[in-house]
Amino acid sequence: ETGVTQTPRHLVMGMTNKKSLKCEQHLGHNAMYWYKQSAKKPLELMFVYNFKEQTENNSVPSRFSPECPNSSHLFLHLHTLQPEDSALYLCASSPRTSNQPQHFGDGTRLSIL
Amino acid sequence: GIQVEQSPPDLILQEGANSTLRCNFSDSVNNLQWFHQNPWGQLINLFYIPSGTKQNGRLSATTVATERYSLLYISSSQTTDSGVYFCAVGEYGGATNKLIFGTGTLLAVQP
Repeated sequence: ETGVTQTPRHLVMGMTNKKSLKCEQHLGHNAMYWYKQSAKKPLELMFVYNFKEQTENNSVPSRFSPECPNSSHLFLHLHTLQPEDSALYLCASSPRTSNQPQHFGDGTRLSIL
Repeated sequence: GIQVEQSPPDLILQEGANSTLRCNFSDSVNNLQWFHQNPWGQLINLFYIPSGTKQNGRLSATTVATERYSLLYISSSQTTDSGVYFCAVGEYGGATNKLIFGTGTLLAVQP
């Protein structure tokens, strides 16, 4: 899905570090999403943004802090993460937040030491 | 919330064989997508199919919304078809377009 770009592809960090994941979409979409995929589990929605406004927070711990400065960019700021936060983090976008397919980036594989 | 069940959980095929993957969901949906996740974790869109039938090469999908299920057909399978196939649905009338994913079908195609 080259229309949605995520960086970095891999990230290893200690529990006391602060890092950010970046997502950029080139599809002219208005809605953006963060999903988490832990080992042996299906994808779980974390956050939804529609026209830069957060419309859903799926009870995500505050050590994950999303930011959406415009409809094309989405960040996930990470601080004081736990080993169980190691997972594949996927970003997606769609034209709007209903009745439209979502397009996914390639994900960031995060490992917490 | 809506429940999504996929079957079978695992499937091993010989190259050239055909297969059918099933997705059952517990409530009305306004969005249904099939994805293929390759061994590198990339999630590839296969179909956006909240209802009806679509075909794309060796793959086709059918969703019968009134009976709350969708089927993904893979014909003449190839080793590159290996990976996990996910069905994901959006709840009808939901405030956001969040997708609820099934647990997936792990497909291994052997040469």
